[in-house]
Amino acid sequence: TQLLEQSPQFLSIQEGENLTVYCNSSSVFSSLQWYRQEPGEGPVLLVTVVTGGEVKKLKRLTFQFGDARKDSSLHITAAQPGDTGLYLCAVNQMYSGGGADGLTFGKGTHLIIQP
Amino acid sequence: NAGVTQTPKFRVLKTGQSMTLLCAQDMNHEYMYWYRQDPGMGLRLIHYSVGEGTTAKGEVPDGYNVSRLKKQNFLLGLESAAPSQTSVYFCASSEREVWGYNEQFFGPGTRLTVL
Repeated sequence: TQLLEQSPQFLSIQEGENLTVYCNSSSVFSSLQWYRQEPGEGPVLLVTVVTGGEVKKLKRLTFQFGDARKDSSLHITAAQPGDTGLYLCAVNQMYSGGGADGLTFGKGTHLIIQP
Repeated sequence: NAGVTQTPKFRVLKTGQSMTLLCAQDMNHEYMYWYRQDPGMGLRLIHYSVGEGTTAKGEVPDGYNVSRLKKQNFLLGLESAAPSQTSVYFCASSEREVWGYNEQFFGPGTRLTVL
């Protein structure tokens, strides 16, 4: 069972449209992160949300953490071709024998913004 | 600052061959991680390190070994490569976690094919 379920898996829209992608789980998390990955590169952190109900904005991107801290959404307003990429949500996951947390990722949403 | 660098960028191995992937970071980070990314599976943690001389297992450690002899370097070894290890490998680093989460900085990846 996947810890983090992301939807949709693929999304292709026209430039200027709005969109929302989701990251859902049945578990409660102390924090949740969103990363963006472009082809041939590693993921880059966009935002970390830590408080239930929290909303964070990054230019045209709006991130929300669910009240129960089980889910999150990413809304993009007036999408641009530069927003194209793989959007990943991730949570810290404790592993035995450590003191640091590795990240557990969802499978991601592949977003294509067509000019 | 170069951030996180990985060598090589591409490699093709035959089944049974061995190789070492090198990760280097110049941010003086304590924590370092190795992930693999596969289509339909997302990013999964292989091994990680909380400091020089320490290593620990992640979600999918079998078939891999790691070493952290210097703080800035984290090596991932495949002793006897198998086709199932064909993947894109990402190294990441982070500072000590704060409030239960941290930002991980990823390298550009190594694309490995095992024939």
